[in-house]
Amino acid sequence: DQQVKQNSPSLSVQEGRISILNCDYTNSMFDYFLWYKKYPAEGPTFLISISSIKDKNEDGRFTVFLNKSAKHLSLHIVPSQPGDSAVYFCVEGGSEKLVFGKGTKLTVNP
Amino acid sequence: NAGVTQTPKFRILKIGQSMTLQCTQDMNHNYMYWYRQDPGMGLKLIYYSVGAGITDKGEVPNGYNVSRSTTEDFPLRLELAAPSQTSVYFCASSYSIGPGSTDTQYFGPGTRLTVL
Repeated sequence: DQQVKQNSPSLSVQEGRISILNCDYTNSMFDYFLWYKKYPAEGPTFLISISSIKDKNEDGRFTVFLNKSAKHLSLHIVPSQPGDSAVYFCVEGGSEKLVFGKGTKLTVNP
Repeated sequence: NAGVTQTPKFRILKIGQSMTLQCTQDMNHNYMYWYRQDPGMGLKLIYYSVGAGITDKGEVPNGYNVSRSTTEDFPLRLELAAPSQTSVYFCASSYSIGPGSTDTQYFGPGTRLTVL
């Protein structure tokens, strides 16, 4: 059974500092993961992804790291901005059915 | 290009009533999905469709029905609404998906449903 776990329901950081959001997974068939960002009263939007052939993918201020041996991935946001305040979902992809974690609510304080 | 649109935005139902949540996408995507999100939880897949005339169950299909008569529309039907169906419902679409796919899903803004 596929599972994606985000063990921290919330995270608070100061503007300009690094935000690190963590995610653990089990039984991944494809080792392909995505991060989605969700603002209140809106649908999730795709942020960044990583596939098994890489251990790092970078897009501007956002970097995702994948450690396949530990079955762990993390999203780094540097520098964090108040507009980054949202819920971040770790998602397992690669099949017709996305598997979502419960999400981590990030608050970036000015 | 409106993307994925959902109606209504909000709805309150009484126990036992029925309703249809509408979803339309204008991106000519083959794949469409319905999710529900309960408070403090991630999204769970209700039903999905890989093309017009083809639908399949997701993780939590009980109490729901879907149809896909056109590429653009994917309505979700609730029959005999129950309080356990109080949730936020998201529709999504993607051009391709499946094993090895790196495509992403695009989500609508959601429908907040309360069953009293």
